[in-house]
Amino acid sequence: GENVEQHPSTLSVQEGDSAVIKCTYSDSASNYFPWYKQELGKRPQLIIDIRSNVGEKKDQRIAVTLNKTAKHFSLHITETQPEDSAVYFCAFHPGGSYIPTFGRGTSLIVHP
Amino acid sequence: KAGVTQTPRYLIKTRGQQVTLSCSPISGHRSVSWYQQTPGQGLQFLFEYFSETQRNKGNFPGRFSGRQFSNSRSEMNVSTLELGDSALYLCASSTGQGPHEQYFGPGTRLTVT
Repeated sequence: GENVEQHPSTLSVQEGDSAVIKCTYSDSASNYFPWYKQELGKRPQLIIDIRSNVGEKKDQRIAVTLNKTAKHFSLHITETQPEDSAVYFCAFHPGGSYIPTFGRGTSLIVHP
Repeated sequence: KAGVTQTPRYLIKTRGQQVTLSCSPISGHRSVSWYQQTPGQGLQFLFEYFSETQRNKGNFPGRFSGRQFSNSRSEMNVSTLELGDSALYLCASSTGQGPHEQYFGPGTRLTVT
């Protein structure tokens, strides 16, 4: 079936550093790529998404880039803060499906 | 708008029993999806209901079933519980009209002993 590979599984950075998480997907027909953040003990929540008609989208300290040719998209967090510590999931919608396929998640730890 | 709610929040059951979980979506959302979350396995898709019909199904055994009511509220049932069913069960609602944001509930933590 369709899947998405997410790397790294764990990322440890110092406060103020940048963090990058990369996902590679399998279905070239996908056109919607969301990122979800799940803090410890809480529900996943959308933090940013991108559609295939743009290559980059920014929202304050977070940005997502999309390379449709290479079938990968990345989450960039600049000036990380301890409250950015969480598990981040990428997702894509194979063939425009209503249902997202999620990556396995990246545990980001930001050390003060 | 009120968010997605799930009941109960915590549940302890014994192997072999059955359990029913409930999910109330955001008002106006017609799609409800269910996910199983375990450490290291991420979010595993169980099934999706739209307008009272199962529209998509993941790769889980038939012990896992669900339904959706006319008010879009959904229930998930697991019969003959196994130890491996211990997990956080999350439901998510969306408009159901094409690929869009999923709004997750707080989850039900199921422990099978």
